[in-house]
Amino acid sequence: DTGVSQDPRHKITKRGQNVTFRCDPISEHNRLYWYRQTLGQGPEFLTYFQNEAQLEKSRLLSDRFSAERPKGSFSTLEIQRTEQGDSAMYLCASSKGLNNEQFFGPGTRLTVL
Amino acid sequence: QQQVKQSPQSLIVQKGGISIINCAYENTAFDYFPWYQQFPGKGPALLIAIRPDVSEKKEGRFTISFNKSAKQFSLHIMDSQPGDSATYFCAASMITGGGNKLTFGTGTQLKVEL
Repeated sequence: DTGVSQDPRHKITKRGQNVTFRCDPISEHNRLYWYRQTLGQGPEFLTYFQNEAQLEKSRLLSDRFSAERPKGSFSTLEIQRTEQGDSAMYLCASSKGLNNEQFFGPGTRLTVL
Repeated sequence: QQQVKQSPQSLIVQKGGISIINCAYENTAFDYFPWYQQFPGKGPALLIAIRPDVSEKKEGRFTISFNKSAKQFSLHIMDSQPGDSATYFCAASMITGGGNKLTFGTGTQLKVEL
């Protein structure tokens, strides 16, 4: 059990470009969450999956954001036409079932120039 | 709308002292209250969590005190050590009917001095 992994760890992009992040949850964890954390703030919920089904999306997730979890394994978060306001740490967490602890990955730090 | 308010924003404690961080919530439907510890460049890690049917939970040097009527909960770190220096976040969620998506406080930067 190697924990939740995220790739890449850092991404620098120019405004208007598309970016995609990957999250690999702990094996057998059926729930996967995405959060966004800006400097000096707590993480904010973006979306979550149970297996391959995306069950809820926050109003923070504009139309430029899309998340998938094909086959209920890894998940991707894509941001289209990035804006400077998208600069943040994007965190992924997974849990085994509803009642259990969420384990967080190390995050992907996005910088939009 | 900030549903979980956390204080203080920063805290300096002497080695061996007690660190106390407080949180208040608004949504009475919250039924799970965890505390997370985060080091620079790392993701948050769960320290301890409590459900509203108990008023206190202790795990090692970490204790959560919970006051349901006041809608407040706090983290006490006993015998604080330099290795405890990190940012601490309280959070709240609805496990029942809410998907357990976490609402975090704004964080407390703790520094434990020798």
